[in-house]
Amino acid sequence: QVQLQESGPGLVKPSETLSLTCTVSGGSISSYHWSWIRQPPGKGLEWIGYIYYSGSTNYNPSLKSRVTISVDTSKNQFSLKLSSVTAADTALYYCARDQGYLGYWGQGTLVTVSS
Amino acid sequence: DIVMTQSPDSLAVSLGERATINCKSSQSVLYSSNNKNYLAWYQQKAGQPPKLLIYWASTRESGVPDRFSGSGSGTDFTLTISSLQAEDVAVYYCQQYYNTPYTFGQGTKLEIK
Repeated sequence: QVQLQESGPGLVKPSETLSLTCTVSGGSISSYHWSWIRQPPGKGLEWIGYIYYSGSTNYNPSLKSRVTISVDTSKNQFSLKLSSVTAADTALYYCARDQGYLGYWGQGTLVTVSS
Repeated sequence: DIVMTQSPDSLAVSLGERATINCKSSQSVLYSSNNKNYLAWYQQKAGQPPKLLIYWASTRESGVPDRFSGSGSGTDFTLTISSLQAEDVAVYYCQQYYNTPYTFGQGTKLEIK
């Protein structure tokens, strides 16, 4: 059974860079695409972008100028960096296995942007 | 971007009754070359991540009870719960994966009447 676990700081200061890692267990990261999705408190879901194990990426144009997703196949991990954060980036951040549809999700990690 | 619009925003149904949630896309998500609709449904219970219920508009994910079914094609889709159980209380989302950026509906909150 594939499992995903997000990790990273829960508090980030405005204008700084949010950094999260997703660790995949129970299966190899070396197949499928892997996505990041976020959900502001009490609101809906927003797809951030995905990465293929080869390193190719696809980002949401609404965030593209600030987003970098990378992969480390040796650690079975992929990561998200979101730069120049503001309070609007406060959200639950999820990682998921991406087959177009999102079949496996992590539990999510809350990131708050505040000074 | 493809805009996904769900209706209603909230719904209260009696236990054992049918619940129906609609999802409309701003453009067709039917890929003509394989005749597949790139549409998924998710269930999100309080404090939990979304759970995949349905993909390709009507294929039930393994382990999902058969009271959940998906239908529709092109731009109009429906999630039906044939006999509502207490554990079905949740917010339900549709998602298109026809193209990127993937987009979700705003969610439908399902409660017990």
